[in-house]
Amino acid sequence: DARVTQTPRHKVTEMGQEVTMRCQPILGHNTVFWYRQTMMQGLELLAYFRNRAPLDDSGMPKDRFSAEMPDATLATLKIQPSEPRDSAVYFCASGLSGTTEKLFFGSGTQLSVL
Amino acid sequence: RKEVEQDPGPFNVPEGATVAFNCTYSNSASQSFFWYRQDCRKEPKLLMSVYSSGNEDGRFTAQLNRASQYISLLIRDSKLSDSATYLCVVKWALEGGGNKLTFGTGTQLKVEL
Repeated sequence: DARVTQTPRHKVTEMGQEVTMRCQPILGHNTVFWYRQTMMQGLELLAYFRNRAPLDDSGMPKDRFSAEMPDATLATLKIQPSEPRDSAVYFCASGLSGTTEKLFFGSGTQLSVL
Repeated sequence: RKEVEQDPGPFNVPEGATVAFNCTYSNSASQSFFWYRQDCRKEPKLLMSVYSSGNEDGRFTAQLNRASQYISLLIRDSKLSDSATYLCVVKWALEGGGNKLTFGTGTQLKVEL
């Protein structure tokens, strides 16, 4: 079965350190989304790419977060410097434009910033 | 006001019961509506779309009320395996192109023996 692959599954780091999360979308999918999930806020959209171009990153704190798609098989989300309030599960999802509602999510990266 | 609001629950129901969840959205320009299911410590997965005329998929029925801006999900004859968090999702167009999917915080369902 085709699936979205996220690495790492778990990350524990200290405040101030750089964190990089990676996502391999399903082959052939041209949209990629980064979401952050916490108990209080639920799933929040951080960034959205279509054909590798960023369409929406309004939900992303620009001072410390950055999202890129260096090629069609890799999306990255970086936090520098990380803070304890960044602790959350970060999900990557991919889909096909035109059927954006049918998103396929990766297993997520559980991030803990101490 | 949040863009998509749901009662967080939990809804604790006995096996075989009928349970309904509601969801309200604030953007009247919203185009499409969906329910996703998320199991504990897992990723969300699409459960079903919500059509204007209402739609059914087995034991699951989804309804949309555009005038009141709410969506509902009805589960009949609930099973233990239905225990999960149900996420209401709303889609609208972005000004620069593409679409935005906004998720509610989810309603937790626990089906008990």
